[in-house]
Amino acid sequence: KQEVTQIPAALSVPEGENLVLNCSFTDSAIYNLQWFRQDPGKGLTSLLLIQSSQREQTSGRLNASLDKSSGRSTLYIAASQPGDSATYLCAVEYGNKLVFGAGTILRVKS
Amino acid sequence: DGGITQSPKYLFRKEGQNVTLSCEQNLNHDAMYWYRQDPGQGLRLIYYSQIVNDFQKGDIAEGYSVSREKKESFPLTVTSAQKNPTAFYLCASSIRAAQPQHFGDGTRLSIL
Repeated sequence: KQEVTQIPAALSVPEGENLVLNCSFTDSAIYNLQWFRQDPGKGLTSLLLIQSSQREQTSGRLNASLDKSSGRSTLYIAASQPGDSATYLCAVEYGNKLVFGAGTILRVKS
Repeated sequence: DGGITQSPKYLFRKEGQNVTLSCEQNLNHDAMYWYRQDPGQGLRLIYYSQIVNDFQKGDIAEGYSVSREKKESFPLTVTSAQKNPTAFYLCASSIRAAQPQHFGDGTRLSIL
């Protein structure tokens, strides 16, 4: 069964701290892996997409890595800001289907 | 602006009633998807469509129905057979299957 797990479920950090969110998946036959951000009561905003042949992607203060062999991805957020507070979702693409983790709720305190 | 529009934002269902959630996209995407999100859980796929006049069941299709008569529209009907419909429903589209999905802002469905 294709499952995606995100750790931790919730995280609270002071402003300015660097942090890492973790995602693991059971089936390594992936097309790609995406990290999304979701604000309360809103839809999903795509942050980064890593193709199965890639090791990492960067966008501004965000860096996502992918290790297919171990079934893991990390999202690194540098110099966190209160505006980064949201739920972060990891999703793995298996052909015509995205499998989502339950998300990590991030709170950055000012 | 190109995007995905879901309506209504909030919807209430009476017992025994069918309700329909709207999803419209002007991105010229071939593929469209419906997900359900429950508190503390990830999104679960209800139905998807890769092309007009074709759709496939996802992981939790029971109690739901869809149609894809036009490329830009993929409405979801929550039938009375769905005994626990209270959830946040998200629609997405992608240029084709296995490409990045773009999401609407969701519809929150509650039971009266």
